[in-house]
Amino acid sequence: QVQLVESGGGVVQPGGSLRLSCAASGFTFSNYGMHWVRQAPGKGLEWVAFIRSDGNNKYYADSVKGRFTISRDNSNNTLFLQVNSLRAEDTAVYYCAKGRSGATLFAVVIDYWGQGTLVTVSS
Amino acid sequence: QSALTQPASVSGSPGQSITISCTGTSSDVGGYNYVSWYQQHPGKAPKLMIYDVSNRPSGVSNRFSGSKSGNTASLTISGLQAEDEADYYCSSYTRTSTLVVFGGGTKLTVL
Repeated sequence: QVQLVESGGGVVQPGGSLRLSCAASGFTFSNYGMHWVRQAPGKGLEWVAFIRSDGNNKYYADSVKGRFTISRDNSNNTLFLQVNSLRAEDTAVYYCAKGRSGATLFAVVIDYWGQGTLVTVSS
Repeated sequence: QSALTQPASVSGSPGQSITISCTGTSSDVGGYNYVSWYQQHPGKAPKLMIYDVSNRPSGVSNRFSGSKSGNTASLTISGLQAEDEADYYCSSYTRTSTLVVFGGGTKLTVL
């Protein structure tokens, strides 16, 4: 079965950086687009970033553009999110999520989610 | 402020039907049939309930249905059950540079 296991969250000071990872299993990772979606405490879901199956196309929310970088290692079935210049408003649970297809348009549908990793930005 | 607009809360009694709306623009909901709905119970990861406006993934109860008219998509839950109490989020493809937008979420209370 599909499994997505995030890691790398923690407490970081404003302006700091983290690298989030997501280990994927149970499907052919290199065939699917992948997302990061976050949820601030007590708030709704916010889409963060998407990367196409081959890693060549990437999209970002305006709120993170220029600060966050999504990447993937298809050899090791791993998705990454490099988060830099962190702000208090970036505090959230970050979910790794699988798109339903390798094609970008169809991959906007998220069919599986990990359990999330918490990033807390605080001094 | 979320790109898609949902009511903050809806409620219904067991056995009744409820509908949750999701309003966007012609750049997202109105322009494409790539609207999805997700259910999230407290402390849990979201679960896909409806995709491409009205399609149900395998394993999702047929009590859940989706539709769209103009710039507004809707999720209808019929025969409400206690376990349906959760937060529901819509999302859509958007032709802006960002690709995906979510609604602000709707808390469903089963009375």
